[in-house]
Amino acid sequence: DAGVTQSPTHLIKTRGQQVTLRCSPISGHKSVSWYQQVLGQGPQFIFQYYEKEERGRGNFPDRFSARQFPNYSSELNVNALLLGDSALYLCASSLDGDTSTDTQYFGPGTRLTVL
Amino acid sequence: AQSVTQPDIHITVSEGASLELRCNYSYGATPYLFWYVQSPGQGLQLLLKYFSGDTLVQGIKGFEAEFKRSQSSFNLRKPSVHWSDAAEYFCAVASTGGFKTIFGAGTRLFVKA
Repeated sequence: DAGVTQSPTHLIKTRGQQVTLRCSPISGHKSVSWYQQVLGQGPQFIFQYYEKEERGRGNFPDRFSARQFPNYSSELNVNALLLGDSALYLCASSLDGDTSTDTQYFGPGTRLTVL
Repeated sequence: AQSVTQPDIHITVSEGASLELRCNYSYGATPYLFWYVQSPGQGLQLLLKYFSGDTLVQGIKGFEAEFKRSQSSFNLRKPSVHWSDAAEYFCAVASTGGFKTIFGAGTRLFVKA
């Protein structure tokens, strides 16, 4: 079975630009979460979507937005990029998104570099 | 507020030696605890998780972890390390019915021959 897929693998942008990252969850999974992993740190929670609705949001500015489509795939958008947005962006899928009981499966990530 | 502390930024062990990675958490209620491993260029893989019951949890790849409520710790252990275990290890905590997982900063494991 295919795991969580993310595209693109790598991305280079300049300050002020906008970027869209994509994630396809495991078949049958209805929840997608996004995490930002800055070099040398652990992943930080950005968003979770379940059944196309935002269930939770981390401590990130409004420049970050996301959505989930009817096929449960998801996009993460970041506007007005800053140098500090350079990171590995991880997508995780799970059946129902309850992180206390449901296993999250992570994709390989998208490496975003902002110059 | 929930938090996870991994005191060791990096650890070096010899192949065949035992391993213990430390993790301390801060959480008011019964925590749900996890250990993940991340190899270069790859996403996170779940090694094991603790929800309740037996405080010694067995995971994949020969790893185990012990939950100690009195010490707010959830240390990861392996009796004999293999070169392929070299990676970054993350301890994490989740809340009951929650939607987010809080990760520690990670411990990078180096394995020497």
